[in-house]
Amino acid sequence: DTGVSQDPRHKITKRGQNVTFRCDPISEHNRLYWYRQTLGQGPEFLTYFQNEAQLEKSRLLSDRFSAERPKGSFSTLEIQRTEQGDSAMYLCASSPESLQFANTGELFFGEGSRLTVL
Amino acid sequence: TQLLEQSPQFLSIQEGENLTVYCNSSSVFSSLQWYRQEPGEGPVLLVTVVTGGEVKKLKRLTFQFGDARKDSSLHITAAQPGDTGLYLCAATYLEYGNKLVFGAGTILRVKS
Repeated sequence: DTGVSQDPRHKITKRGQNVTFRCDPISEHNRLYWYRQTLGQGPEFLTYFQNEAQLEKSRLLSDRFSAERPKGSFSTLEIQRTEQGDSAMYLCASSPESLQFANTGELFFGEGSRLTVL
Repeated sequence: TQLLEQSPQFLSIQEGENLTVYCNSSSVFSSLQWYRQEPGEGPVLLVTVVTGGEVKKLKRLTFQFGDARKDSSLHITAAQPGDTGLYLCAATYLEYGNKLVFGAGTILRVKS
């Protein structure tokens, strides 16, 4: 399977714990995105990387959230001191760097990591 | 205020009926995509439109991009239970850089 993969698919944690999600993008894609989706809503942009550089962060990404892409391949999203409001589906997506795709912003999504904070 | 508004929010129809869902923006977009998402899965791209007035067809699905580049519609002919899912429109805007902004989606349920 050469699609975007995310791990874990489901995570249940207690409030105050830290959690980390991993995303492996399509191998030839240089851009990697994180989105958050709550029930009944569309995905909300969190942050994106071009190679290892984090180029943009949403105001939704509080200081409890940190994302990395150290070698320009896989990425991790860590949430510290989780709160019940962090419960959501965290989606990772990638896109190739070619000009055509960059202009149209087409994204290839993983299946998501569902977080439940008790 | 939501940048992209989708309507209706929820649609429940019988198999064989036709339907149209709408996506409207308060700003001109550079491009617009339609995605379909099933429960517990990530969105899957259906189509991309970039030219005002453009119409694209994908089997029983017809996508239209408004001339003013501020609206789009998705029309499904003879809906089938397999069409059930969340339909999301997503746009890129020059002023928002190279990221997709999503609408809240239309939940479609097709009953057999």
